[in-house]
Amino acid sequence: EAGVAQSPRYKIIEKRQSVAFWCNPISGHATLYWYQQILGQGPKLLIQFQNNGVVDDSQLPKDRFSAERLKGVDSTLKIQPAKLEDSAVYLCASSLAATDTDTQYFGPGTRLTVL
Amino acid sequence: AQKITQTQPGMFVQEKEAVTLDCTYDTSDQSYGLFWYKQPSSGEMIFLIYQGSYDEQNATEGRYSLNFQKARKSANLVISASQLGDSAMYFCAMREGYAGGTSYGKLTFGQGTILTVHP
Repeated sequence: EAGVAQSPRYKIIEKRQSVAFWCNPISGHATLYWYQQILGQGPKLLIQFQNNGVVDDSQLPKDRFSAERLKGVDSTLKIQPAKLEDSAVYLCASSLAATDTDTQYFGPGTRLTVL
Repeated sequence: AQKITQTQPGMFVQEKEAVTLDCTYDTSDQSYGLFWYKQPSSGEMIFLIYQGSYDEQNATEGRYSLNFQKARKSANLVISASQLGDSAMYFCAMREGYAGGTSYGKLTFGQGTILTVHP
């Protein structure tokens, strides 16, 4: 079974530029998550989708971050304009459902450097 | 208050020895799940083991076991017979159950523990 796919793996941009990340979850997984992991810290949830609807985006900086999950499968996360503090690894995860027993499986992440 | 606390920034263990990584959590929910993930230098988060709050037995998965002490709110990971490939960052995470108005599914992670296995 294929895992969670993410691209690109690495991205370097200058501040105030825009950037987009792509995620393809495990086939059949209804729930998709985007996490931000700053160096030396644990991941922090940015947004959670159930199929193509947003369940939780309370920690998404909506003035600059946006995300969508068209057709309930692939998802894109966009940052516009980027700030220095956005330098982090962006992890996508998926799970079958969103119950407390459900395991989230993570992709390899996209490492973003903002100069 | 921190929901997940990992007090050991770094741990060292000799190859083939056992090691315990500490994790304490804070929740008022009755239904929750506890997870351990391994993150090698490549960056991917690898699921290791899961413990449900209602599970009476400690979870085990191969060389990994979870020492779950509910009253003390601790969920320590025990790795037996350490291998060089176990060197990585380890994260403890919790998912709280639905509690009226709060979405479930979100994992709250600790700060992580870097484990180094010496030959």
